Amino acid sequence: DTGVSQNPRHKITKRGQNVTFRCDPISEHNRLYWYRQTLGQGPEFLTYFQNEAQLEKSRLLSDRFSAERPKGSFSTLEIQRTEQGDSAMYLCASTPEGAYNEQFFGPGTRLTVL
Amino acid sequence: KQEVTQIPAALSVPEGENLVLNCSFTDSAIYNLQWFRQDPGKGLTSLLLIQSSQREQTSGRLNASLDKSSGRSTLYIAASQPGDSATYLCAVEASGGYNKLIFGAGTRLAVHP
Repeated sequence: DTGVSQNPRHKITKRGQNVTFRCDPISEHNRLYWYRQTLGQGPEFLTYFQNEAQLEKSRLLSDRFSAERPKGSFSTLEIQRTEQGDSAMYLCASTPEGAYNEQFFGPGTRLTVL
Repeated sequence: KQEVTQIPAALSVPEGENLVLNCSFTDSAIYNLQWFRQDPGKGLTSLLLIQSSQREQTSGRLNASLDKSSGRSTLYIAASQPGDSATYLCAVEASGGYNKLIFGAGTRLAVHP
């Protein structure tokens, strides 16, 4: 399968714990995006990487959130000291360089904070 | 600030009907508009992408149109089937913003036999 993959698919954690999600983009795509989607809403942008550089972060990304993309390949999104409000679907998307390109999404990681 | 609105929020129709889903956006400075399908608890599947210079795109029973000047797009689904039941999301790619997508809240479609 050459699509975007995300792991884990589901994560249940207790409030205050740290969690980390992984995204593997399509191999030739140098642009990678993280989005968050809550029930009944469309996805909201969190952060953007071009290769290994994190070029944009949303105000939604509080200090408890950190994202990395070492060597411009896979990316990780870590949430520290989780809160119940962090419960959501976390989606990753990738696209090649240039304008007018489709973004391809992974299956998402569903986070539930108890 | 770009805002995307989708109407209706939910739609229930009998099989075989032709459907129109609406999407509007407030800022016409966009690169692309993309329509997605999302099944419950799943990720997004890209259906159609319309570049800002294009007026419409077609794929099978789907046709999407774009009117940038009025800030509107429609997704037309011909001869709907129960397998079309899903949430349909519209997203615009804003110019000058690293191409991030700004989404509407979606239209939840149910097609019953």
